[in-house]
Amino acid sequence: RKEVEQDPGPFNVPEGATVAFNCTYSNSASQSFFWYRQDCRKEPKLLMSVYSSGNEDGRFTAQLNRASQYISLLIRDSKLSDSATYLCVVNKVDSSYKLIFGSGTRLLVRP
Amino acid sequence: DGGITQSPKYLFRKEGQNVTLSCEQNLNHDAMYWYRQDPGQGLRLIYYSQIVNDFQKGDIAEGYSVSREKKESFPLTVTSAQKNPTAFYLCASSIDIAGQGNKNIQYFGAGTRLSVL
Repeated sequence: RKEVEQDPGPFNVPEGATVAFNCTYSNSASQSFFWYRQDCRKEPKLLMSVYSSGNEDGRFTAQLNRASQYISLLIRDSKLSDSATYLCVVNKVDSSYKLIFGSGTRLLVRP
Repeated sequence: DGGITQSPKYLFRKEGQNVTLSCEQNLNHDAMYWYRQDPGQGLRLIYYSQIVNDFQKGDIAEGYSVSREKKESFPLTVTSAQKNPTAFYLCASSIDIAGQGNKNIQYFGAGTRLSVL
């Protein structure tokens, strides 16, 4: 089983739609969770950290479910500019310095 | 502007050649990392360094070497022993806050695309 698993997509949604991605992680002792965004042929950029109580940043909401070992990202009112690959990232338990990156979920927002 | 600079943007390697990828940061971060990304795959850790003059192997260190002589710089050499070097190489850095969980966020340079001639 992969340490971090994501549905590769693509998720193809119209502008204004709400879309949600899930990501599962294998190690129940993981402590740090992030969502990064990666545009085509560019570097990953931090979208948001994921906190135990869940957190929101504008149209983006992240949730953590420790019991089921998954994190989620909800995007409301999708914009064309949201089209990108979203990477789920979890810390490696034996080292706070090491992060494990999922392969990403691709989102396409159409006009 | 503060940030992480990688050069060159594109690099071509000939058979049997060693090539060095540059990574410089002016964020005053202690920790630096090198990742490799292949199409459709997640990032894989090659090497990382928590402090000057010290570095650790990541998950796929074979065929690569690094040095950390200055806090700002963490060059990666792709040696001739790396038989499949074609990939997107990403350098990252983070503040050294061991055990601070969510605060240890990694920031990335724009990457170097390496191809084999």
